[in-house]
Amino acid sequence: EDQVTQSPEALRLQEGESSSLNCSYTVSGLRGLFWYRQDPGKGPEFLFTLYSAGEEKEKERLKATLTKKESFLHITAPKPEDSATYLCAVNHRNSGGSNYKLTFGKGTLLTVNP
Amino acid sequence: DAGITQSPRHKVTETGTPVTLRCHQTENHRYMYWYRQDPGHGLRLIHYSYGVKDTDKGEVSDGYSVSRSKTEDFLLTLESATSSQTSVYFCAIGAGVDRVNYGYTFGSGTRLTVV
Repeated sequence: EDQVTQSPEALRLQEGESSSLNCSYTVSGLRGLFWYRQDPGKGPEFLFTLYSAGEEKEKERLKATLTKKESFLHITAPKPEDSATYLCAVNHRNSGGSNYKLTFGKGTLLTVNP
Repeated sequence: DAGITQSPRHKVTETGTPVTLRCHQTENHRYMYWYRQDPGHGLRLIHYSYGVKDTDKGEVSDGYSVSRSKTEDFLLTLESATSSQTSVYFCAIGAGVDRVNYGYTFGSGTRLTVV
């Protein structure tokens, strides 16, 4: 069964305290892993796409990495404005193998206190 | 969000009535998706489309149908709304796996309440 699991469910940090979020997956025919940020009452906002093991992407205080079974979102010296829910999603083949679909994890709620 | 619009933004409807949500895009993207988001469940795929008149079911498709008669519009219909379909519905669009460094863009969501 295709699965995307994110941990922890919630994370509370002090401003400047670096940490990492995890996304592990078991899917067939992976064609990309995505990280999104979602603020309350809004749609998910695209952050990164990773395609192959060993790939890394960076944006401001965020860095995403990918292995064969999981991805990490590293947050360096976070600020209160980084508080949001971070979602991981994988693009993979559907059960018939003829097309691709996007499956999400349940997200990690990050709170950064000043 | 730029390039993708959902309507309505909010709707309250009665149990048993039909409801149609609309997703409109101006990006000419091939892939369009409908998700619902509920506390404790995250984003779950309802239906998706990989071209005009080409659709497939997601993991929570029961009670929902979709139609895509042209590239820019993807409609989600609840044939007979139930209270369990109270949720926030998101539409997403994507260029597809053949585009380098692609990402999927989400709409602002439709908050549906079934009473």
